[in-house]
Amino acid sequence: SAVISQKPSRDICQRGTSLTIQCQVDSQVTMMFWYRQQPGQSLTLIATANQGSEATYESGFVIDKFPISRPNLTFSTLTVSNMSPEDSSIYLCSVGGGTSGSYEQYFGPGTRLTVT
Amino acid sequence: AQSVAQPEDQVNVAEGNPLTVKCTYSVSGNPYLFWYVQYPNRGLQFLLKYITGDNLVKGSYGFEAEFNKSQTSFHLKKPSALVSDSALYFCAVRDIKAAGNKLTFGGGTRVLVKP
Repeated sequence: SAVISQKPSRDICQRGTSLTIQCQVDSQVTMMFWYRQQPGQSLTLIATANQGSEATYESGFVIDKFPISRPNLTFSTLTVSNMSPEDSSIYLCSVGGGTSGSYEQYFGPGTRLTVT
Repeated sequence: AQSVAQPEDQVNVAEGNPLTVKCTYSVSGNPYLFWYVQYPNRGLQFLLKYITGDNLVKGSYGFEAEFNKSQTSFHLKKPSALVSDSALYFCAVRDIKAAGNKLTFGGGTRVLVKP
């Protein structure tokens, strides 16, 4: 399975500011995914990020709020823009889900964001 | 559309007793099914999957799950629970007809194993 790291592991931010979360994978992957896990809740897919194309956003998530970059096959960033306390969540990136015969996704350790 | 239901928010079990975490799903086609576990302050760890073949699949840490197509269920089981199994468990589904490898997660079930 891929080894995935995320930076930062946690942060406390003021409302109105933006935070960029980095996701690094130790191997080349086609698809990367960004999820949000609100306190005490399940995971919700924000967007799918493919290298060389625009990210595909799920219903309820927009590019202006959550811009994503995917400059190469091992790296992606998610920015949470103009933050409000409602953005306080754990943000996770994942890879996998059908590439190279692997159907499952593997997740990074997550970034715990608190907005004050 | 694809969806997953985990009807129990929490399951309490004594150490050494059997553990079952329930999951039902809904897809338009055939499902790929997954179980993940989340320990406190850690990311999700993959436990097991059903893709095709035998309905009983075995995974990490002694867990297994049974795919039941007629009941659209994929319950997670462990014959003898350990205190260290206390964690948050998520069932997830992917419709093989759906584009983009999108996973849909259930609401999660918190497992508490008491000594």
